[in-house]
Amino acid sequence: EVHLVESGGGLVQSGGSVRLSCAASGFTFSSAWMSWVRQAPGKGLEWVASIKPDGSATYSVDSVKGRFTISRDNAKNSLYLQLNSLRVEDTALYYCAGNRTRFLYWGQGTLVTVSS
Amino acid sequence: QSALTQPASVSGSPGQSITISCSGTSSDVGGYNYVSWYQQHPGKVPKLVIYDVTDRPSGVPDRFSGSKSGNTASLTISGLQAEDEADYYCSSYTRSSTMVFGGGTKLTVL
Repeated sequence: EVHLVESGGGLVQSGGSVRLSCAASGFTFSSAWMSWVRQAPGKGLEWVASIKPDGSATYSVDSVKGRFTISRDNAKNSLYLQLNSLRVEDTALYYCAGNRTRFLYWGQGTLVTVSS
Repeated sequence: QSALTQPASVSGSPGQSITISCSGTSSDVGGYNYVSWYQQHPGKVPKLVIYDVTDRPSGVPDRFSGSKSGNTASLTISGLQAEDEADYYCSSYTRSSTMVFGGGTKLTVL
């Protein structure tokens, strides 16, 4: 059974940084595109970033370019999202999701709250 | 990277059919057969119900179907049931190698 478990969220001040982690199990992580999707409180889903299976290519939404970095460690079956220069509007539940064009697997999410 | 356009809400009675539209451009919906649909109940994790425009993941009832015409994709739910009441989101791959979601549609079962 596939499991994706996010961690690392919390309360952070505007301009601060936080690193999110996602521990994966139940599938061949090293062969899978992985992504982060976020959802602000009471709002819709927003794709944040995706990373190729070998980590050689990454893609992200314009609003986080230069601030957020997606990465992975296939030896540890783990996905990461480094969030820098955080803004109040980055407050959201951040989901780790399996695949790139179709998000079949989702974690429960980790909440990042950015205070002003 | 503009969000895809979905109606804010749709409604239907049990047993009826409803269709939710998802409008994009030739750079996303119209250019690729990588449209997916997600169902999200309040406080729950999104669930994939349609991928690659028309395909259903294992376990999703065949009451759920997807289609596409030009730059607009659609999700149809037939034989509406009370448990179908949820928010629905479409997503598409884009020419920029990114992904984009629609704004979401709240389905109310009357």
